[in-house]
Amino acid sequence: DIQMTQSPSSLSASVGARVTITCRASHDITNYLVWFQQKPGKAPESLIYATSYLQSGVPSRFSGSGSGTDFTLTISSLQPEDSATYYCQQYKTYPYTFGQGTRLEIK
Amino acid sequence: EAQLVESGGDLVQPGGSLRLSCGASGFTFSSFNMNWVRQAPGRGLEWLSHISYGSTVIHYADSVKGRFTIYRDNAKKSLTLKMNNLRAEDTAVYYCAREKYNDYWIDLWGQGTLVTVST
Repeated sequence: DIQMTQSPSSLSASVGARVTITCRASHDITNYLVWFQQKPGKAPESLIYATSYLQSGVPSRFSGSGSGTDFTLTISSLQPEDSATYYCQQYKTYPYTFGQGTRLEIK
Repeated sequence: EAQLVESGGDLVQPGGSLRLSCGASGFTFSSFNMNWVRQAPGRGLEWLSHISYGSTVIHYADSVKGRFTIYRDNAKKSLTLKMNNLRAEDTAVYYCAREKYNDYWIDLWGQGTLVTVST
């Protein structure tokens, strides 16, 4: 199975800050990576698919990059509504696997 | 608007069985691959199972293989997860999730249904 490791596990940043979350795969997944945002008590929502493509309706302050085993999610200017937990997930091969999540708090 | 609605979550004793259902609306259900994903209380997301649009391809996570069965009824626009021999560690919110058409990433989630395994 492909292991997905996110870092950091949690972070706190101010409104307007630039935030980066990393995700590392234990094997090459080319670009088969999706990022989800989950707010408390809600289902996850997709933000970015195929590493760098923005899901429809997602603000342009979100972006993704990477390839192979190393990937990043960047929020260019943090907004209060971005407070959430973020997950990466590989869909290169079954079983699909998720990172453990990154909890983002607004200072 | 595309929507998924899960049902069937309940309190069940260890060793018991439960059937979860997911109803789809607002899209052509028979054209989409589907999945089940769960989230234990306070924990992360765990993928459980995939079924292709025509039920020809099915995959399971090792944690549920042999105990859980996924199936679908395209005429009724429904997805089911039959769960047997439930354990305390199966306690979680269970989500039904759709894969993007002609792709493999999850683009739509249901609201989830809570399964509690306890005496």
